[in-house]
Amino acid sequence: QSALTQPASISGSPGQSITISCTGTTSDVGGYKYVSWYQQYPGKAPKLIIYEVSNRPSGVSYRFSGSKSGNTASLTISGLQTEDEADYYCSSYSNTDTLLIFGGGTKLTVL
Amino acid sequence: QAQLVESGGGVVHPGRSLRLSCAASGFSFSSHAMHWVRHAPGRGLEWLAAVSYDGSNTHSADSVRGRFAISRDNSNNTVYLQMSSLKTEDSAVYYCVRDFAVLVKDWSFDLWGRGTLVTVSS
Repeated sequence: QSALTQPASISGSPGQSITISCTGTTSDVGGYKYVSWYQQYPGKAPKLIIYEVSNRPSGVSYRFSGSKSGNTASLTISGLQTEDEADYYCSSYSNTDTLLIFGGGTKLTVL
Repeated sequence: QAQLVESGGGVVHPGRSLRLSCAASGFSFSSHAMHWVRHAPGRGLEWLAAVSYDGSNTHSADSVRGRFAISRDNSNNTVYLQMSSLKTEDSAVYYCVRDFAVLVKDWSFDLWGRGTLVTVSS
């Protein structure tokens, strides 16, 4: 099972909004609500920021939002802050033999 | 405070076995499915295996099926990953993670351990 497709890198300026895409297939992203997003700083464990496509866990900033259209999920970060500079990974349940697949990750740089 | 603490990592020769443990505390361990995820240097995250809240069901990724096995002991709040026939490409940081949902799988991971490093090298 191939990884979900994310852009390798993205950049933005403080205050701007950026959107990270995560493209899969009807067997995963397009077929299920179990799409999640994680934020990871170097040397640290990932942190859940979006679950079930668009839900934010308690304590996660409203600046993070998720959506899905067809086989592509998206993470939007509004009002970019320097602390948002990190790696972001999407994941999705899959009806293949490997039940959970991650995207390859996107490195966000806040210029 | 809920936490997960992994142990058992280290340096191991190719072909050998290793068992990772993950001690849970601060939450109702027996109510959550648990998973293992790894992160190899320069690579992305990879889901490895899941065990249901009561241990009755397990699933593993294609890449490790037949070599890795997940299990849990709810009486000791511990989840395990038994790894055998290790390969150099299994070198990674291994994370124990909690499924967000209670009693079912949501396939989102809201609690992560700090990870334990496994290095497979001759």
